[in-house]
Amino acid sequence: GAVVSQHPSWVICKSGTSVKIECRSLDFQATTMFWYRQFPKQSLMLMATSNEGSKATYEQGVEKDKFLINHASLTLSTLTVTSAHPEDSSFYICSASRDRGRETQYFGPGTRLLVL
Amino acid sequence: KQEVTQIPAALSVPEGENLVLNCSFTDSAIYNLQWFRQDPGKGLTSLLLIQSSQREQTSGRLNASLDKSSGRSTLYIAASQPGDSATYLCAAEEGGSNYKLTFGKGTLLTVNP
Repeated sequence: GAVVSQHPSWVICKSGTSVKIECRSLDFQATTMFWYRQFPKQSLMLMATSNEGSKATYEQGVEKDKFLINHASLTLSTLTVTSAHPEDSSFYICSASRDRGRETQYFGPGTRLLVL
Repeated sequence: KQEVTQIPAALSVPEGENLVLNCSFTDSAIYNLQWFRQDPGKGLTSLLLIQSSQREQTSGRLNASLDKSSGRSTLYIAASQPGDSATYLCAAEEGGSNYKLTFGKGTLLTVNP
């Protein structure tokens, strides 16, 4: 149990386009979902935390108008990278929590974004 | 602001060796400390979670310890196998209403047959 999926796993796009990444908890309801970004040989950096039905909380330095997060249901959160640029190329990973703070977050397999 | 450091950055050992990975964190007011495994180009797999009130957790050949007062955690891997090759990440989770995870950069472990 506690499986999280992400789609797509790979995406290549042209500079200036928008890209949507989906994160789904397949077998549990996620009260909270998290979005991370990981550059090569770097730590995972938390971008934002989202609770179902409410606005996401963004970390300092993350542009909320560029990285749009929608947590429409207890099993789905989406991250849209708007007007993507080459510097947005990274590995984006989501995680989901069913009992926030009491057990580990369950991570998706990640989405690799390459902006040309 | 929490900072998590992992030493060493990379480690290469022959199969069968016991090894220790180190993690330190600057703010001891953590809710828990977690160890994850990440295979190349993949997401994270949770290995062990140590609550702030606990001193250690064990799962199979893995044992993680936590010393909150000194801001340190270690992950001990016994009888290492080539399949253990991966990047190991530690993360400190803060409490309060945030429960934010702060990750270290990881230790890249290679176990040679």
